[in-house]
Amino acid sequence: GAGVSQSPRYKVAKRGQDVALRCDPISGHVSLFWYQQALGQGPEFLTYFQNEAQLDKSGLPSDRFFAERPEGSVSTLKIQRTQQEDSAVYLCASSFWGLNQPQHFGDGTRLSIL
Amino acid sequence: SQELEQSPQSLIVQEGKNLTINCTSSKTLYGLYWYKQKYGEGLIFLMMLQKGGEEKSHEKITAKLDEKKQQSSLHITASQPSHAGIYLCGAEWAGSYQLTFGKGTKLSVIP
Repeated sequence: GAGVSQSPRYKVAKRGQDVALRCDPISGHVSLFWYQQALGQGPEFLTYFQNEAQLDKSGLPSDRFFAERPEGSVSTLKIQRTQQEDSAVYLCASSFWGLNQPQHFGDGTRLSIL
Repeated sequence: SQELEQSPQSLIVQEGKNLTINCTSSKTLYGLYWYKQKYGEGLIFLMMLQKGGEEKSHEKITAKLDEKKQQSSLHITASQPSHAGIYLCGAEWAGSYQLTFGKGTKLSVIP
């Protein structure tokens, strides 16, 4: 596709359930990022992949959060044993490799934990 | 993030008026990115600034980065309802690929 695609657009889960969020980056983009955006705030960095290598996961809030990109293309963000504070919009972005490359964002997945 | 401050938090302008949004960094920027976000949607890339004193324009939007690379401004000339949304600045620091975003400026344009 022409842009970054994320699915599902909306996800409602009960506290304690596991969820998986998918990101299809722009074809050919080496770098892939996950961000978390709370209501009324700017996106906050979660993790970064260069191809299949997860080079930075310093922004993941707890060990309940796990991300992978096994073939260097599609990425999945998994949250185990969800809690109410996990409710947010999860944004995926991709870019060509290197610094000074604009990141292109998907429309995000809005996660609500009941 | 306290490392990156945006002002104002919100702005309401009459259609046709000019406006400016500011983004101030607590340390020297490697790159500064401007994005626009509409409610329920992702971020749309507007412009990227790298060099001190750089200025870029696209249609009625102009972005500047100061010489010290610690402050950027986004200026919209003759605003239109289509300019309404949330404007976010994102900082790229040396040695880091991630972006650190400001809290955003919510712009409303009254017809």
